[in-house]
Amino acid sequence: GQQVMQIPQYQHVQEGEDFTTYCNSSTTLSNIQWYKQRPGGHPVFLIQLVKSGEVKKQKRLTFQFGEAKKNSSLHITATQTTDVGTYFCAGPWGYQKVTFGTGTKLQVIP
Amino acid sequence: DTGVSQNPRHKITKRGQNVTFRCDPISEHNRLYWYRQTLGQGPEFLTYFQNEAQLEKSRLLSDRFSAERPKGSFSTLEIQRTEQGDSAMYLCASSLALQGLDTEAFFGQGTRLTVV
Repeated sequence: GQQVMQIPQYQHVQEGEDFTTYCNSSTTLSNIQWYKQRPGGHPVFLIQLVKSGEVKKQKRLTFQFGEAKKNSSLHITATQTTDVGTYFCAGPWGYQKVTFGTGTKLQVIP
Repeated sequence: DTGVSQNPRHKITKRGQNVTFRCDPISEHNRLYWYRQTLGQGPEFLTYFQNEAQLEKSRLLSDRFSAERPKGSFSTLEIQRTEQGDSAMYLCASSLALQGLDTEAFFGQGTRLTVV
């Protein structure tokens, strides 16, 4: 079955440093979504990527969808303590089972 | 509150008992998903509905699990003869599918099940 892996599993950064998490799928994805889950909370939608090579930005967050639509990345510039949480990629959304990635837990040291 | 609502928030049950959880999605959303999440893991897909039709069910789900969405609105997830391995957070999400493409999924707060 489809597998979605994320690396790294954990990342500790000093506040102000950049952070990147990578998502790799064993199969081609028609689309992918990114979610953030705060400790003790539920996943909250961040963005959806659909097109090959797509890049989207939300303030300090930059999302990329690979050309082959099998990988994706999330980059955070100048992390803040509010960025703490676990970031998941998930896909494909549509008439199919949705698989969540293994997640990257981000800790920001003030 | 117009978000996704799940009840109960917490459930402690003895092994072998049956439990039922309820999810009320955002009213105009036609898709509803059930996930299970254990500590330190990502949400694991259980099943999903398009309106009242159950379109897919995880092969990981045993026959002890059943889900319904009778009128295409709220959904229930029942676990029969609970086992300790069923202890987890059960998450419900809903979304609006337009021409086959999902928009963002909104998650409820989850129901935390503890089987003792």
